[in-house]
Amino acid sequence: SQKIEQNSEALNIQEGKTATLTCNYTNYSPAYLQWYRQDPGRGPVFLLLIRENEKEKRKERLKVTFDTTLKQSLFHITASQPADSATYLCAGDNFNKFYFGSGTKLNVKP
Amino acid sequence: DAGVIQSPRHEVTEMGQEVTLRCKPISGHDYLFWYRQTMMRGLELLIYFNNNVPIDDSGMPEDRFSAKMPNASFSTLKIQPSEPRDSAVYFCASSSGQNSNQPQHFGDGTRLSIL
Repeated sequence: SQKIEQNSEALNIQEGKTATLTCNYTNYSPAYLQWYRQDPGRGPVFLLLIRENEKEKRKERLKVTFDTTLKQSLFHITASQPADSATYLCAGDNFNKFYFGSGTKLNVKP
Repeated sequence: DAGVIQSPRHEVTEMGQEVTLRCKPISGHDYLFWYRQTMMRGLELLIYFNNNVPIDDSGMPEDRFSAKMPNASFSTLKIQPSEPRDSAVYFCASSSGQNSNQPQHFGDGTRLSIL
């Protein structure tokens, strides 16, 4: 079955470093990948979308890549801040609906 | 602008009771989605509507679950009868246009506990 997989272990990094989160997809080929941020007790908030024919997309300190050969997307936060601490979800489309990964929790320590 | 509004925020009820969750999407959005989030299974799509019409309900776990969208500004998700394994956070989301390339806007969810 179609799957979106993210590293379930929390990522702990020091403030100022670059955080890199990984999203892998299996058994299908999404045309779009979306990344969301989720804070405790809140709904996911959309961050970035990338199309399969785009290699890379940037928005302020955020960068996302889409590698159709590796079946993988990487999500980078440069110059990370404690306020970036949250769970980040990856979602791949499948005919107007999305499969979500289970999310990776990012902890940025001051 | 107001975002997606869900009610109630929390619901605690006993097994066997009927539960109704409510959602008001963002005005002008023509897609509406119901998701369920648990630690074990993550965020799962239950059903989605386009222009108030259910398009895909393949994620609805069983007949105890039903969803309606009587108009463009309101949707309900009903569980009858409820069971403890239905305990989860239920999210509603809406989006506009050709969905795959549009962001989904989520409400803050209903945390449901079935005792």
